[in-house]
Amino acid sequence: DVKVTQSSRYLVKRTGEKVFLECVQDMDHENMFWYRQDPGLGLRLIYFSYDVKMKEKGDIPEGYSVSREKKERFSLILESASTNQTSMYLCASSPFDRGTDNEQFFGPGTRLTVL
Amino acid sequence: GESVGLHLPTLSVQEGDNSIINCAYSNSASDYFIWYKQESGKGPQFIIDIRSNMDKRQGQRVTVLLNKTVKHLSLQIAATQPGDSAVYFCAENRGSTLGRLYFGRGTQLTVWP
Repeated sequence: DVKVTQSSRYLVKRTGEKVFLECVQDMDHENMFWYRQDPGLGLRLIYFSYDVKMKEKGDIPEGYSVSREKKERFSLILESASTNQTSMYLCASSPFDRGTDNEQFFGPGTRLTVL
Repeated sequence: GESVGLHLPTLSVQEGDNSIINCAYSNSASDYFIWYKQESGKGPQFIIDIRSNMDKRQGQRVTVLLNKTVKHLSLQIAATQPGDSAVYFCAENRGSTLGRLYFGRGTQLTVWP
């Protein structure tokens, strides 16, 4: 079974802190994704990566950056956390097979609170 | 009961009834669609998918119907059980070649005894 793990289930940080959210997948997937989930807004894509050291902006990249130094790990960085970044953060991965479509496998999520 | 996922975010059904959750998608380029289930405190889990060359696909107690003419997707759950209570999301690919999915806002399904 595909397993996507996230470093923390719950995290509390203060405004202005630098925050790292880590995601690891064990199925050698090329694609990895970071979403945030807020009530009534569904899942919104922050950044994704289709290969090591490659990244693409999603729909709401402002205030975030990412790092993909190894294939299995995708990190989301909040350079200076703000209260409006309080949210549930979900990581996902999927294989990349050109010409086909593949489901994304999600981690359990990290609930981040910024005070 | 029925619910349009983007307009009526909640659906309540009695245990044993069939549930229908609807989703309107926006992009004519979408050729791949997925339904996910998200239980409280967990990440979304894959339920069923369908490609645009099909109009119906069945799984265990679930059926997805695709109507490309009106850009409409539905998830039918047969004999709904309390364990089906969750938020259900539809997602479309909008023709993405990089594996991106675009998610709807979700429908909260509540099953009461």
